[in-house]
Amino acid sequence: AQSVTQLGSHVSVSEGALVLLRCNYSSSVPPYLFWYVQYPNQGLQLLLKYTSAATLVKGINGFEAEFKKSETSFHLTKPSAHMSDAAEYFCAVSVGTAGNKLTFGGGTRVLVKP
Amino acid sequence: ETGVTQSPTHLIKTRGQQVTLRCSSQSGHNTVSWYQQALGQGPQFIFQYYREEENGRGNFPPRFSGLQFPNYSSELNVNALELDDSALYLCASSLGGENPTDTQYFGPGTRLTVL
Repeated sequence: AQSVTQLGSHVSVSEGALVLLRCNYSSSVPPYLFWYVQYPNQGLQLLLKYTSAATLVKGINGFEAEFKKSETSFHLTKPSAHMSDAAEYFCAVSVGTAGNKLTFGGGTRVLVKP
Repeated sequence: ETGVTQSPTHLIKTRGQQVTLRCSSQSGHNTVSWYQQALGQGPQFIFQYYREEENGRGNFPPRFSGLQFPNYSSELNVNALELDDSALYLCASSLGGENPTDTQYFGPGTRLTVL
């Protein structure tokens, strides 16, 4: 079975500073990895996904993530935080044997300070 | 293009009651997945429907059941409600359930409170 661990349930960054959200996965078969964002009282919106085509994946709103097989990681970064980035972020994994059913991490809430 | 919609937005029930939640998938999508998101946690997969058939189930008891209709909309039914069923229930649609890279598009969710 696969699993996802997100280090840090809360992250506080200053506006303009680097955003780094950590995600580690466990899977016995090649994984496909996703980052979703959830704004208050809304559903989840896809930021980016790793589908094995390229290890560095660029997404919407200036976010990117790098798949590192040796570290079993898929950390999310953004060079400069905006106030609008305040939200909860979820890392998720799917594997070929289970179709596109997602296993999510526990989430990281991002607070952006002016 | 209409996105994924869910109804109702909020719902309050008491223990032992039954509830039905509804989801309309995005145009052109034939797969619907349901997730339960307890407060402060990540979503957990309940089950998926692909072309009206159940196509995988997570670790949820049989009192959680579902349906998918010919227009690919879906229902989630929960019988004998328990306090721990209080959560945000998310529906997601996708083009197909077999491809692990197919993106799931989420609705805004139904907030269920069980008293």
